[in-house]
Amino acid sequence: SYGLIQPLTVSVALGQTARIICGGDNIVSKNVHWYQQKTGQAPVLVIYRGVNRPSGIPERFSGSYSGSSSTLTISRAQAGDEADYYCQVWDSSTVVFGGGTRLTVL
Amino acid sequence: EVQLLESGGGLVQPGGSLRLSCAASGFMFSNYAMNWVRQAPGKGLEWVSGISGSGGSTNYADSLLGRFSIYRDNSKDTLYLQVNILRAEDTAVYFCARSDDYGDPFDYWGQGTLVTVSS
Repeated sequence: SYGLIQPLTVSVALGQTARIICGGDNIVSKNVHWYQQKTGQAPVLVIYRGVNRPSGIPERFSGSYSGSSSTLTISRAQAGDEADYYCQVWDSSTVVFGGGTRLTVL
Repeated sequence: EVQLLESGGGLVQPGGSLRLSCAASGFMFSNYAMNWVRQAPGKGLEWVSGISGSGGSTNYADSLLGRFSIYRDNSKDTLYLQVNILRAEDTAVYFCARSDDYGDPFDYWGQGTLVTVSS
């Protein structure tokens, strides 16, 4: 079955840029979606189809593909961006989530 | 405003069953695929099952071993998940989530309902 790999933790200084990578086999051929989940809350879609931002999501959030990975970039990181971030793809009519990355803003 | 409200969770003994519900409002329910995603305490997200807008197509995570059944009643704008032969490892918050179709992102999520499997 298809697998997505994310780092367990990423740390970023306040106001700096955080990058969260999601790796998978031939991931550039897939539509990768990214979700933010704050403690005790439901996930929120922040990037869809790799590079698109839903309405209401700040422009500081962006997505890209490079090599064998998809990257979620958070510019000018704020304390409120501390959360778990998950990448997700569809594979053979089933859904695969990455293991999640805890973002800490220092 | 799109709203998804799950219910039906609770404490159940191993081997027991539950029916989870997700009441939808604020959109044309039958036009959208719906999904169940669960999250065990302190763990990541795990997709459980999805169903097409008409209800004619369903898919499940292989790990469920046929114990779960997803269905919907479009006349009541409600999604269901029948969960059987529950095990301790099924303990989780169960979220319902909307997508345009298979392949599309989950653009709205409910707040979840907690299922605890314990004797």
